[in-house]
Amino acid sequence: AAGVIQSPRHLIKEKRETATLKCYPIPRHDTVYWYQQGPGQDPQFLISFYEKMQSDKGSIPDRFSAQQFSDYHSELNMSSLELGDSALYFCASSPRSTGRGNEQFFGPGTRLTVL
Amino acid sequence: AQSVAQPEDQVNVAEGNPLTVKCTYSVSGNPYLFWYVQYPNRGLQFLLKYITGDNLVKGSYGFEAEFNKSQTSFHLKKPSALVSDSALYFCAVRPMNSGYSTLTFGKGTMLLVSP
Repeated sequence: AAGVIQSPRHLIKEKRETATLKCYPIPRHDTVYWYQQGPGQDPQFLISFYEKMQSDKGSIPDRFSAQQFSDYHSELNMSSLELGDSALYFCASSPRSTGRGNEQFFGPGTRLTVL
Repeated sequence: AQSVAQPEDQVNVAEGNPLTVKCTYSVSGNPYLFWYVQYPNRGLQFLLKYITGDNLVKGSYGFEAEFNKSQTSFHLKKPSALVSDSALYFCAVRPMNSGYSTLTFGKGTMLLVSP
């Protein structure tokens, strides 16, 4: 079965640089979520999109922005990177039509290292 | 705000023995509850969920969990552990009256199954 695809899988950036992470949801999933998982931490919700519109906003820094495109893929744009942004970034998707009890399907993550 | 507690950072069990990974939650109203598993350098993989109905939920790979409303718990169990079950396990909660994105994770419990 098709899974959530994230690219790149690994990314190394310098402080104050920018980064763009991409997420391709499972086909027919209309909702995309972004999470940040620091070392030894639980995933923290950043932001979500439904039908290309921002749905919910979590602890996403102002330096970050995201959007969902017409083909439902999503991109997380990160600017003025800081050392503390080094983390594993997960994208998840789900079909909203199945209701609030639906589980989210996670991608393999992008490991961002800021030097 | 909702929260999840996983009181054990690590659970050690011998292969073939039963295992329990504990989870308690705090939400306003009724919860949707989820268990995810994370293998090293991998995304979160859905195991099972409680939405409503039978308090005993069966999921993937022989795992099950019991919802206990009075104790606000959702412990993960398996009758006979396998070495391959060794991984990081996350419990998560979403209030029924919340937005679609509001998934709050516990800190995770590392399960180590010895041969």
